[in-house]
Amino acid sequence: EPEVTQTPSHQVTQMGQEVILRCVPISNHLYFYWYRQILGQKVEFLVSFYNNEISEKSEIFDDQFSVERPDGSNFTLKIRSTKLEDSAMYFCASRPGTGRYTEAFFGQGTRLTVV
Amino acid sequence: RKEVEQDPGPFNVPEGATVAFNCTYSNSASQSFFWYRQDCRKEPKLLMSVYSSGNEDGRFTAQLNRASQYISLLIRDSKLSDSATYLCVVNIGRGSTLGRLYFGRGTQLTVWP
Repeated sequence: EPEVTQTPSHQVTQMGQEVILRCVPISNHLYFYWYRQILGQKVEFLVSFYNNEISEKSEIFDDQFSVERPDGSNFTLKIRSTKLEDSAMYFCASRPGTGRYTEAFFGQGTRLTVV
Repeated sequence: RKEVEQDPGPFNVPEGATVAFNCTYSNSASQSFFWYRQDCRKEPKLLMSVYSSGNEDGRFTAQLNRASQYISLLIRDSKLSDSATYLCVVNIGRGSTLGRLYFGRGTQLTVWP
């Protein structure tokens, strides 16, 4: 069964360092997302991406964040200068189409710990 | 403003019990509704979509009341494997229906033998 894969599963980084979280969406999907979940809190939307550009971003997704689809398969989230409060589980998701009930498939997540 | 609100629980029930979860959403423009399941430190996985007419999938029944902006999930004959956090999720589509998913904080369920 096709799945969204994320690497690494766990990343520890020092405050102020740049991190890149990687995702390989399901191959025929067209819509891509990043969500995050701080421990004990709800899953929060960060950004959606379609046709090689950002479709929507939340207030969390400030200038420190960027996304890229550098080739036909990878979808990355970069945090330029990490802060302690960026520590969270980051989930990538993808959808094949635009139907209201089209399922979003989530990757297993990258746990980011900023120390 | 909380887009999606759920009772956080926890709900602790014996095997075989029936348990119901409730959820309210604030945006009347919400277009589609879901229940996701999340196991500890894992990704959310779609349990079922929630349609206007209500729908059932085996032991799971979901209901939607648009007038009250209320969504429910009923689990009958609970199994140990149902232990998880249940997330109420709303899609506020914006024309292109790329709309972001809004998650509730989840309701934790533990089923004991």
